[in-house]
Amino acid sequence: EPEVTQTPSHQVTQMGQEVILRCVPISNHLYFYWYRQILGQKVEFLVSFYNNEISEKSEIFDDQFSVERPDGSNFTLKIRSTKLEDSAMYFCASSDPQGARGYTFGSGTRLTVV
Amino acid sequence: ELKVEQNPLFLSMQEGKNYTIYCNYSTTSDRLYWYRQDPGKSLESLFVLLSNGAVKQEGRLMASLDTKARLSTLHITAAVHDLSATYFCAVDIFANAGKSTFGDGTTLTVKP
Repeated sequence: EPEVTQTPSHQVTQMGQEVILRCVPISNHLYFYWYRQILGQKVEFLVSFYNNEISEKSEIFDDQFSVERPDGSNFTLKIRSTKLEDSAMYFCASSDPQGARGYTFGSGTRLTVV
Repeated sequence: ELKVEQNPLFLSMQEGKNYTIYCNYSTTSDRLYWYRQDPGKSLESLFVLLSNGAVKQEGRLMASLDTKARLSTLHITAAVHDLSATYFCAVDIFANAGKSTFGDGTTLTVKP
């Protein structure tokens, strides 16, 4: 079964530091997404990405956030200056062109801002 | 703004019993998803429901969709301990825009 791979699994960073979360989506998927889940809370949409550009973003995805597909396989989420409230589990997901099978989520990166 | 409400939020049941989790949403939707999440783990896709009247079954779980009522149900038959997890429904307004709106989740505990 193809998987979405995320690294690192856990990242601890100082407030104000930049972090980059990395994802390798499923190879024949064309749509890529980032979601986050604050501990014990619901899953929240951050951004979707298609054809090398952002197609949708939420209010959470402000100027501190950016996404990039630097090569043919990686998809990254950068947080420029982390805040305590950015502490959460960040999930990458991808979907096939038809979308009929829904989204495949990665195992997540737990980000802790101290 | 799309709102997705699940109930109950917490469910404790005995093995062998049946129960239903409900997911209501506020706006016409293209598709609805059910996911399972074990503690500290990722989201496992259970069902994708694409049209009114869709019914899908996998093992002891059955999901259905009524787009007119804007309601989906996840029915658990003869629960077993292995089904203990948190179950989320999520709704898309535009297919593959990826902007899924999730419910709060239902934490299911199945007791022997």
